[in-house]
Amino acid sequence: GAGVSQSPSNKVTEKGKDVELRCDPISGHTALYWYRQSLGQGLEFLIYFQGNSAPDKSGLPSDRFSAERTGGSVSTLTIQRTQQEDSAVYLCASSSRRDTTLAKNIQYFGAGTRLSVL
Amino acid sequence: AQSVTQPDIHITVSEGASLELRCNYSYGATPYLFWYVQSPGQGLQLLLKYFSGDTLVQGIKGFEAEFKRSQSSFNLRKPSVHWSDAAEYFCAVGAYNNNDMRFGAGTRLTVKP
Repeated sequence: GAGVSQSPSNKVTEKGKDVELRCDPISGHTALYWYRQSLGQGLEFLIYFQGNSAPDKSGLPSDRFSAERTGGSVSTLTIQRTQQEDSAVYLCASSSRRDTTLAKNIQYFGAGTRLSVL
Repeated sequence: AQSVTQPDIHITVSEGASLELRCNYSYGATPYLFWYVQSPGQGLQLLLKYFSGDTLVQGIKGFEAEFKRSQSSFNLRKPSVHWSDAAEYFCAVGAYNNNDMRFGAGTRLTVKP
């Protein structure tokens, strides 16, 4: 697609429910990132995919959080048994691997999913 | 691992005035530095980046930033602010040996008429 697409744009859920957030990266981008943006906290790195594998899962805040990526494209971030502290904007970004130094590849961001846990 | 500090949570400037947003980083080697802007309800858009070479980098929308190794800083500047510049600005640092981009907490810019 033309840009990174995230759905839904807003999600309201009850405490204890599971939610799935979806990210559709820019076509051809091999790297995909998930971040969490809480009020006044900046962006917190959650997980990074290169292709379908996630070499770095260190940012996932608890075992209630998981993510997968299939076909080297769409990714889903799943939060099980949501808690009120999970309320935040979840941002997805993708980048190509044009430069072998990964950090030099520009990340392009989606508009995010605003999650509200009541 | 690398880290970023943006000391100013909120800045207000008058339209037409100059702007400087501060960013300090912590990293043992030469960092890869970025400034992003986020308008309400939007994702982050890259303003400019620094990898190496000339320490004064130009970006989109009339922004520039200067890398100062001695001060571990990468401050963002604009000579004359427009009302449309009101947004949240994030500084980020990447490292050559990992793919973990660290973002600052952001600076919210308000532009007064």
